[in-house]
Amino acid sequence: EAQVTQNPRYLITVTGKKLTVTCSQNMNHEYMSWYRQDPGLGLRQIYYSMNVEVTDKGDVPEGYKVSRKEKRNFPLILESPSPNQTSLYFCASSLSPSNQPQHFGDGTRLSIL
Amino acid sequence: GEDVEQSLFLSVREGDSSVINCTYTDSSSTYLYWYKQEPGAGLQLLTYIFSNMDMKQDQRLTVLLNKKDKHLSLRIADTQTGDSAIYFCADQSQAGTALIFGKGTTLSVSS
Repeated sequence: EAQVTQNPRYLITVTGKKLTVTCSQNMNHEYMSWYRQDPGLGLRQIYYSMNVEVTDKGDVPEGYKVSRKEKRNFPLILESPSPNQTSLYFCASSLSPSNQPQHFGDGTRLSIL
Repeated sequence: GEDVEQSLFLSVREGDSSVINCTYTDSSSTYLYWYKQEPGAGLQLLTYIFSNMDMKQDQRLTVLLNKKDKHLSLRIADTQTGDSAIYFCADQSQAGTALIFGKGTTLSVSS
């Protein structure tokens, strides 16, 4: 089954403790992206990757890192999480973001205390 | 800047039609999208329309696109309680590297 898989689905942690949210897709998609969803603000893009070893900032990249060492994986890294990063995070992938739909994972709810 | 606007709430009775409206600012998109988010779930691609089309029908769903007015709508015929969810309209960014989402319309269906 074609899917985008995120882990973990839920995480409660404390300020400053490094964490990684994994994202994997099995559709051989070139493009992958991370969004965060906040009440009243909708979804905003954090980082995206057009291909392996190619990553770029989205609208809200501060406090986040990403890597794209393999085509299927696009982890989101919070080196020193802070409470303002408490949010619902979505990973997405697409063959081509400009003319193909983006497929989303089920989301990861992060709470930073 | 690029923006997508939607009304925040819509309440309908089971069996009625629902119409969710959206306006967008960027007219260079190849596609416009509707996503559905059920409580506690991820974003499900519901349907999308190619920018040179005026209408797309898919079973109970009808998408209308008015490029002149930059207006997109989603009509759900015979709305069911299972249709209760948040519906997001999304446009492609000018660079084509991101989706620009509206804030979502919460559809509430009562029996």
